[in-house]
Amino acid sequence: GEDVEQSLFLSVREGDSSVINCTYTDSSSTYLYWYKQEPGAGLQLLTYIFSNMDMKQDQRLTVLLNKKDKHLSLRIADTQTGDSAIYFCAESTFPGQAGTALIFGKGTTLSVSS
Amino acid sequence: GAGVSQSPSNKVTEKGKDVELRCDPISGHTALYWYRQSLGQGLEFLIYFQGNSAPDKSGLPSDRFSAERTGGSVSTLTIQRTQQEDSAVYLCASSPQPSGWVRNTIYFGEGSWLTVV
Repeated sequence: GEDVEQSLFLSVREGDSSVINCTYTDSSSTYLYWYKQEPGAGLQLLTYIFSNMDMKQDQRLTVLLNKKDKHLSLRIADTQTGDSAIYFCAESTFPGQAGTALIFGKGTTLSVSS
Repeated sequence: GAGVSQSPSNKVTEKGKDVELRCDPISGHTALYWYRQSLGQGLEFLIYFQGNSAPDKSGLPSDRFSAERTGGSVSTLTIQRTQQEDSAVYLCASSPQPSGWVRNTIYFGEGSWLTVV
């Protein structure tokens, strides 16, 4: 079945860049997502990328997709203490297909120290 | 409402009792999902409803778990004869009817925190 893998922890210093990596197994994945979960809060969609794109930039966030290697990364520039959270990678196939649901990784806990 | 609403937000129940968790999706969203997040674990897919299609129940961990969606809107997740390992946050999400190549963004509720004692 589909699987999404992430490293569990990342620790960076304030002002540095953070890179969170994710690998997935489903070659038919159409959309890939990054969600953020702050302590005690729900999941917040950060950004997404369509599978025919290689890169997407949104302010401090850069998403890179290597479809050949099924590797997705999220780069956060100028990381701030407010970026400390759990970051979930998720993938889905084309929305029109029956039974489509997001498959999530276990999440990467980002810790930012000042 | 503006977002996905779940109730109760917190539930403590005794082992062996049944619990019902409710989800009100965003109005007009035809897709509805249930996920479970256990302590220290990632998000585990449970069940998915899309319009009038048969639900995808492939993620339900046992036959003690069931879910229904009435009238294509509100959904109830029922856990019978609860066990301590059922303690988790149960997250509901919804997404709009997909059309063409629009992004299938799903929106999550705040979750129902279930503790089985």
